Amino acid sequence: GAVVSQHPSRVICKSGTSVKIECRSLDFQATTMFWYRQFPKQSLMLMATSNEGSKATYEQGVEKDKFLINHASLTLSTLTVTSAHPEDSSFYICSARQLYNEQFFGPGTRLTVL
Amino acid sequence: AQSVTQPDIHITVSEGASLELRCNYSYGATPYLFWYVQSPGQGLQLLLKYFSGDTLVQGIKGFEAEFKRSQSSFNLRKPSVHWSDAAEYFCAVGVDSSNTGKLIFGQGTTLQVKP
Repeated sequence: GAVVSQHPSRVICKSGTSVKIECRSLDFQATTMFWYRQFPKQSLMLMATSNEGSKATYEQGVEKDKFLINHASLTLSTLTVTSAHPEDSSFYICSARQLYNEQFFGPGTRLTVL
Repeated sequence: AQSVTQPDIHITVSEGASLELRCNYSYGATPYLFWYVQSPGQGLQLLLKYFSGDTLVQGIKGFEAEFKRSQSSFNLRKPSVHWSDAAEYFCAVGVDSSNTGKLIFGQGTTLQVKP
């Protein structure tokens, strides 16, 4: 199957700083990328849908100014957590999809905000 | 509202025993249904999916699932569990009729395999 990578796999930052997470489709072009958040022992919650060259579509309750998503190319999407606070600590997962095809998931990024 | 429920948070089975993980969904139209497995350090991997047709779906790693519309269920089964099957399992439903790929996930079931 297709491979999706995320970088970094783990990040620890101080409260008030911003953190950028990259999601790359390594061997295919992704027309759509999705960003999820997963709390411990809980489900994946969709945060936003990102189409290449377009603004991301955020789910209800997700602050677009807090979680900035950029999908500048068909192989790269970034999620920037701005002015991070301890409550933003979580596991962030991206997935990538070619048009009408299966989603492929990245391994996730563990964010810890001190 | 669309939702997915996995009633069992944690299941322990002995290696070689059969397995059934339950999944119930709430969705007004014909659902697209998926089962994923999540292992530590790895991304979610698709085990199988149901879009239409035969209600018994075969997947990878010896897994199968049966779609029962009358029960709004899509339970995952495996006749003989291997130690390597220990992982987190997620049921998901595709909820967007325009096929943007949006998924709603269940809470997940942690499978522990005893030797």
